[in-house]
Amino acid sequence: NAGVTQTPKFQVLKTGQSMTLQCAQDMNHEYMSWYRQDPGMGLRLIHYSVGAGITDQGEVPNGYNVSRSTTEDFPLRLLSAAPSQTSVYFCASSYGRKEKLFFGSGTQLSVL
Amino acid sequence: AQSVAQPEDQVNVAEGNPLTVKCTYSVSGNPYLFWYVQYPNRGLQFLLKYITGDNLVKGSYGFEAEFNKSQTSFHLKKPSALVSDSALYFCAVNPGGGNKLTFGTGTQLKVEL
Repeated sequence: NAGVTQTPKFQVLKTGQSMTLQCAQDMNHEYMSWYRQDPGMGLRLIHYSVGAGITDQGEVPNGYNVSRSTTEDFPLRLLSAAPSQTSVYFCASSYGRKEKLFFGSGTQLSVL
Repeated sequence: AQSVAQPEDQVNVAEGNPLTVKCTYSVSGNPYLFWYVQYPNRGLQFLLKYITGDNLVKGSYGFEAEFNKSQTSFHLKKPSALVSDSALYFCAVNPGGGNKLTFGTGTQLKVEL
C-alpha cells in the first residue's frame, strides 16, 4: 500500500515552459486535492476533485489545470510556468470531506 | 469566507513541560477542525480532528485539542513535550458541507532539552 505518490520530487523549469506534476493514490479515495506551500502562507488549495470526472477550483487556481479521468490519478498541469509558481506542491487524498487527508511527499518546483 | 489564524509563528518549550499551539477560526456553519504536523522535508501527517461531540479531542502521539465554540478556538495541547515533537504544526478548517479545507500559516514548535 503506497498511499499517495507524487512525481517528480524536484523540478526546475524556465519561465514559459509547461509541465505536469503527477499524483496517484491506491486507497480508492474519492476526494483528491492539490496544495501549494509557501513560507509564511501555509498551504493554499489550488484545485480539488470529489470523484472521477469532477473537478473544481480552490483558492489559487490561476495558471494551473487539472483533470480526473480515473479514481487513482489527479495530475496538475502548469500551462506556462512563471517565477511566482516557485513553491512546494502537495497532493492529498481522503475518503471524504469529514475525513483526514493523506499527503504525498511533495514536489519542490523552481521556475527561473 | 472561512479562515484560520495561528497567531504564533514559533513556540519554544522545554522538554517535559506542557505545550500549547494556538488556533482560532472563522466559518459559517459548523466547523470541521483538524491539526496536521509536518516534519522537515516531509508531507503533512494527520494528528486529530473535531467534527462533533466532546470538546476535548485526543489524537496521535499524545496530542489533544480543545474545541471552544464561544471563543472559536481549537488549541493543540500536550501535557509533556518531547524533543521529537519539534516540527511545523498546521490547523485547518472545513465548514460542514464544504469541500475546501483551509489551512493556517503554521506554527513552528521547538522543544529544547
